[in-house]
Amino acid sequence: AQSVTQPDIHITVSEGASLELRCNYSYGATPYLFWYVQSPGQGLQLLLKYFSGDTLVQGIKGFEAEFKRSQSSFNLRKPSVHWSDAAEYFCAVGVYNFNKFYFGSGTKLNVKP
Amino acid sequence: DAMVIQNPRYQVTQFGKPVTLSCSQTLNHNVMYWYQQKSSQAPKLLFHYYDKDFNNEADTPDNFQSRRPNTSFCFLDIRSPGLGDAAMYLCATSRDKAGQPQHFGDGTRLSIL
Repeated sequence: AQSVTQPDIHITVSEGASLELRCNYSYGATPYLFWYVQSPGQGLQLLLKYFSGDTLVQGIKGFEAEFKRSQSSFNLRKPSVHWSDAAEYFCAVGVYNFNKFYFGSGTKLNVKP
Repeated sequence: DAMVIQNPRYQVTQFGKPVTLSCSQTLNHNVMYWYQQKSSQAPKLLFHYYDKDFNNEADTPDNFQSRRPNTSFCFLDIRSPGLGDAAMYLCATSRDKAGQPQHFGDGTRLSIL
């Protein structure tokens, strides 16, 4: 069965520090992988996606993520966090041909001044 | 701008009183989804339409129904809301089958009195 695990429920980093949010997935075939960000009271905004090809993908707002097949991971990174990055981040796996997304449980990011 | 629009942003209804949430899209996407998201949880897929084909998730309660009268609009009907149905309801669209990113509206927060 497909699943997505985000092992960190809450993360706090200082403004200007680097960030890595972890995501592991379980899926039998090559997955379609996504990261979304959700600010309080709002919908989800797509940060980046991986379909195939280069395993390091660039997204909006200075985020990037690296697909590592051997580790079944798709971790999100940002070299220098801004206070406006405080939000909840969801990793998701898209299952081809079944119109389904499987979301992780989310990681809440707090940014200290 | 092309987008997914959900109305209203906030909805209050009484226990047992039917309520309808609406979603419209200007993206001309084939697939429309409804998710339920409770506090600090991942979005949970309720059902989706691929064009006119309705696909219900196995664990979606019968209390939840949906209509898609045309490509642009999709409605979520809750026939007899219970206290446990208080949540954020998110509408999303995707161009085609999974592998395509989903585009989310800002959600409707439903409260039950």
